[in-house]
Amino acid sequence: SQKIEQNSEALNIQEGKTATLTCNYTNYSPAYLQWYRQDPGRGPVFLLLIRENEKEKRKERLKVTFDTTLKQSLFHITASQPADSATYLCAPRVGFKTIFGAGTRLFVKA
Amino acid sequence: GAVVSQHPSRVICKSGTSVKIECRSLDFQATTMFWYRQFPKQSLMLMATSNEGSKATYEQGVEKDKFLINHASLTLSTLTVTSAHPEDSSFYICSARGGELSTDTQYFGPGTRLTVL
Repeated sequence: SQKIEQNSEALNIQEGKTATLTCNYTNYSPAYLQWYRQDPGRGPVFLLLIRENEKEKRKERLKVTFDTTLKQSLFHITASQPADSATYLCAPRVGFKTIFGAGTRLFVKA
Repeated sequence: GAVVSQHPSRVICKSGTSVKIECRSLDFQATTMFWYRQFPKQSLMLMATSNEGSKATYEQGVEKDKFLINHASLTLSTLTVTSAHPEDSSFYICSARGGELSTDTQYFGPGTRLTVL
């Protein structure tokens, strides 16, 4: 069955460091993959989309990589800030559907 | 960017009543809208997908007679929870895709917290 795995443990990092979140998927080949941020009690907010023919995408302090051989996407936040604390969701697009991972909770300490 | 609104943000109702949640795409035409529910500390679970002017496609295990979805225009979809029960209490989130602003990306509404007493 199709499966998405994100770091199940919360990620705690110090302000100013780079946070790296992992998304692994099995049993399918997504045409593209999206990353979202979700705060408690709120809907997800779109951050970045990366296509299968793209290796890397950047937006300000955010960087996403997509390795279709490893079936993995990495999401980096550089110079992290306490305001970056949230849950980050990986969402590959498979056919007409977007499938969401359970998310990784990130805590950035001042 | 693309903005999706939802109304109401919170609703409390008695068991047996029906509740309607509206989802609107404010600055783009949403050819496809999606409805999700999310339980605490869990991922988003897709309930149904709807294309404007056609019947919604429900995911396995989602009762279409209980969760009525209407996507009558390119900017509005509604989810009606009929004869709500306490186990229907959840966080319901819509998302929309389509048009020049959002050909591939799904943009989400802020969610609706439903509590059934």
